Amino acid sequence: SAVISQKPSRDICQRGTSLTIQCQVDSQVTMMFWYRQQPGQSLTLIATANQGSEATYESGFVIDKFPISRPNLTFSTLTVSNMSPEDSSIYLCSVALLVGDTEAFFGQGTRLTVV
Amino acid sequence: AQSVAQPEDQVNVAEGNPLTVKCTYSVSGNPYLFWYVQYPNRGLQFLLKYITGDNLVKGSYGFEAEFNKSQTSFHLKKPSALVSDSALYFCAVRDPTDSWGKLQFGAGTQVVVTP
Repeated sequence: SAVISQKPSRDICQRGTSLTIQCQVDSQVTMMFWYRQQPGQSLTLIATANQGSEATYESGFVIDKFPISRPNLTFSTLTVSNMSPEDSSIYLCSVALLVGDTEAFFGQGTRLTVV
Repeated sequence: AQSVAQPEDQVNVAEGNPLTVKCTYSVSGNPYLFWYVQYPNRGLQFLLKYITGDNLVKGSYGFEAEFNKSQTSFHLKKPSALVSDSALYFCAVRDPTDSWGKLQFGAGTQVVVTP
């Protein structure tokens, strides 16, 4: 398994500002993902964070709004830019230890409220 | 394209009674199937997975799930529910041909176990 530390755990932000969420894993992992969970809804994949290259974004998500960094195999950040109330969600970091049939592990999530 | 459906928004069960949470999927080929649980203000916790082999898989906290290929289902079960099992349960599917390991989540089922 993997222990995932996500910071901050929650934040209240003003519209128009940006927030950077950090995800630290206690071991090197192959795959890192960022998900969004809007209030009362399921998880939606935002992007796959690739080490040493640009993230791969899912349909409906763009780099200008959700820039992602992954400088090494244990760390990634997600920035929510120019926030609006519609960005109020839980953002979750997820990792898979290996490419293959392994399960994914999740951080505790960052509960973001935009006012 | 892969998809997963959880037909019940909420399941109510009395403590000590059997618990079943339903999940059906659609994916080309043989799917990788997962169950996760989310407690309030917490991230997702992995419960169990089906990759191949025995159709009945056992997981954490006394949960099990049965893979039924003909019915494309992967229902989660527990013989005797506890009040502490009250949480939000997510079924997820992964296309085994997707080496990046992206998960497609169902909408989630809220389980309420009453004393």
